Amino acid sequence: IVLTQSPGTLSLSPGERATLSCRASQSVSSSDIVWYQQKPGQAPRLLIYGASSRATGIPDRFSGSGSGTDFTLTINRLEPEDFAVYHCQHYSWSLITFGPGTRLEIK
Amino acid sequence: QLQLQESGPGLVKPSETLSLTCGVSGGSISRNDCYWGWIRQPPGRGLEWIGSSHYTGRTFYNPSLKDRVSVSVDTSTNHYSLKLSFVTAADTAVYYCARRSSMDGRPVIDYWGQGTLVTVSS
Repeated sequence: IVLTQSPGTLSLSPGERATLSCRASQSVSSSDIVWYQQKPGQAPRLLIYGASSRATGIPDRFSGSGSGTDFTLTINRLEPEDFAVYHCQHYSWSLITFGPGTRLEIK
Repeated sequence: QLQLQESGPGLVKPSETLSLTCGVSGGSISRNDCYWGWIRQPPGRGLEWIGSSHYTGRTFYNPSLKDRVSVSVDTSTNHYSLKLSFVTAADTAVYYCARRSSMDGRPVIDYWGQGTLVTVSS
């Protein structure tokens, strides 16, 4: 499975909505799609698992959706702390694959 | 609160073996529902999964690295380790140890170490 994320960089202002895409090279189970947020100098943080379930402590402005080959992370009403790199990830039983990431930057 | 901490040399010479250890505190490494793994990130680039190991010894490796990599768990010390042989400059990266678990039956990486930069250079 190859994951493609788009756009590579997204420039938005606080208060706007961000829509990040993750596309798989073949149909996958939504149970196996995860999103992480990574800020400079930090390890990634779990945001969304099973394509649409928020991890503990993640604000409800973050939401995930999708099925098959196309998955989306949506961030409503961007806060200053949301500007970071977002990675999607796929699990098979024996293999973990990451997408190249989308950088969300302040416009 | 579970914590993971990487340790090991920050500089490795080309063709030598990179060796890192991850110390697990605040919980047992001998959990049936967890795999203990390594993920790396070259400077300015994306994440790459290296491999994972269960405490029973079952392991999974990235096919692109499997001929050079070994991950093993030491239940007596609550540590696990990474060995990557015949390194080149392309192996220069921040190396993270990370725990794979599950939430609602779905796989996640829920705990990460802070990461350690390993540079391959003579």
